[in-house]
Formats: sequence, C-alpha cells, structure tokens
Amino acid sequence: NAGVTQTPKFRVLKTGQSMTLLCAQDMNHEYMYWYRQDPGMGLRLIHYSVGEGTTAKGEVPDGYNVSRLKKQNFLLGLESAAPSQTSVYFCASSYEVGGANTGELFFGEGSRLTVL
Amino acid sequence: DAKTTQPTSMDCAEGRAANLPCNHSTISGNEYVYWYRQIHSQGPQYIIHGLKNNETNEMASLIITEDRKSSTLILPHATLRDTAVYYCIVRVPRGGADGLTFGKGTHLIIQP
Repeated sequence: NAGVTQTPKFRVLKTGQSMTLLCAQDMNHEYMYWYRQDPGMGLRLIHYSVGEGTTAKGEVPDGYNVSRLKKQNFLLGLESAAPSQTSVYFCASSYEVGGANTGELFFGEGSRLTVL
Repeated sequence: DAKTTQPTSMDCAEGRAANLPCNHSTISGNEYVYWYRQIHSQGPQYIIHGLKNNETNEMASLIITEDRKSSTLILPHATLRDTAVYYCIVRVPRGGADGLTFGKGTHLIIQP
C-alpha cells in the first residue's frame, strides 16, 4: 500500500514549456486534490475532484488544467509554464464516510517545480 | 469555514508535553477542529480531529474548550521528530471534495 505517489519529484522547465504532474493513490479514495506551496506560505488549493471524470476549480486554478480519467489518478497540467508557477506541488486524497468527506487528507511527498 | 489563529512559533523541550493552542472564536456548531502537521519538505500529515469532546489517538490529544472557541493539541512526550509546522483547521464535514484551507500554522521546535 503505497498511499499517494507523485511523479516526478523534481523538474526544471523553461518558460513556455508544458508538463504534466501525475498523482496516483491506491486507497480507492473518492476525492483528490492538487495544492501548491510557496516559501513561507500555507498550502493553496489549485483544483480538486470528487470522483472519476469530474474536476473543479480551487483557490488558484489559473494556468493549470487537470484530469481524472481513472479513479486512482489525478493529473495536473501546465500548458505554458511561467516563473510564477515555481513552487512545490502536493497531491492529496480523502475518503467519505456516511456521505460526508471525512476531511482526513493523505498527502504525497511533493513535486518541486522550477520554471526558469 | 471559520478562521483560526495560531502562534507563529513555539519551543518545547524534548520529553516534555508540547501544548499547541488554536483560537477559533467564530466556530459554528457543526464545524470540526482538525490538526495537521508538516515536517520540513514533506507533505502534511493528518493528526486528529474533533467536534466538542476531547479526543486522543496514538499521536496526540485534542482538548476543545466547552464553548468551543479554542482548542489545544497536546503531544504528550515531544521528540525531535515532532519539530514541524502544525496547522489548526476548522471545517464542516459535508459531501464533496472541499479542500482544506491551510493557514501559516505554528512552527514547533523541539529543543534537545
């Protein structure tokens, strides 16, 4: 049981390049999230998903796209990377009990992205 | 969800109990208090949550005041590995993937 796995863990991009971050969870969780964390700041929600085939915008969605074609995977895409997207990206998943999201999020180890 | 206020940083001696306060004076009756921590460079880790009764698990205890306007996370015997940023979050359990809002938290430093 690996939990939440993010790939890649490190990536350097040039401005304008595109890339995809992959998040995989093996806990059969319904909900998945992408956050970013900048130095000295808390985590900010980019996008999230309530289930396979669904996605929704979070607090800071601009410049990012997401897809959840399979329940276990949540992809975060940067179509045209900008230096402002230099950050550490965290994926998380959570489950529901009795129809309610428990709020117990399981996080991956993070993906450090640098855009030059 | 209600806002929370936490001290920016705290120190605690190794082996002692670490008591981390959180103020949530605008909490509503159906909001739970959650605690997470983030050890340097790692993803946040869930610790505990509660509504109004005190809660305890293998990691920590959560004490919520009777008026629910504040709470304290207690690490009973702090070790150096407990050095981390601790986040106090208030939310209503509901259907759907409402992502938690993480503030700046309290940086707890365990001193040898």
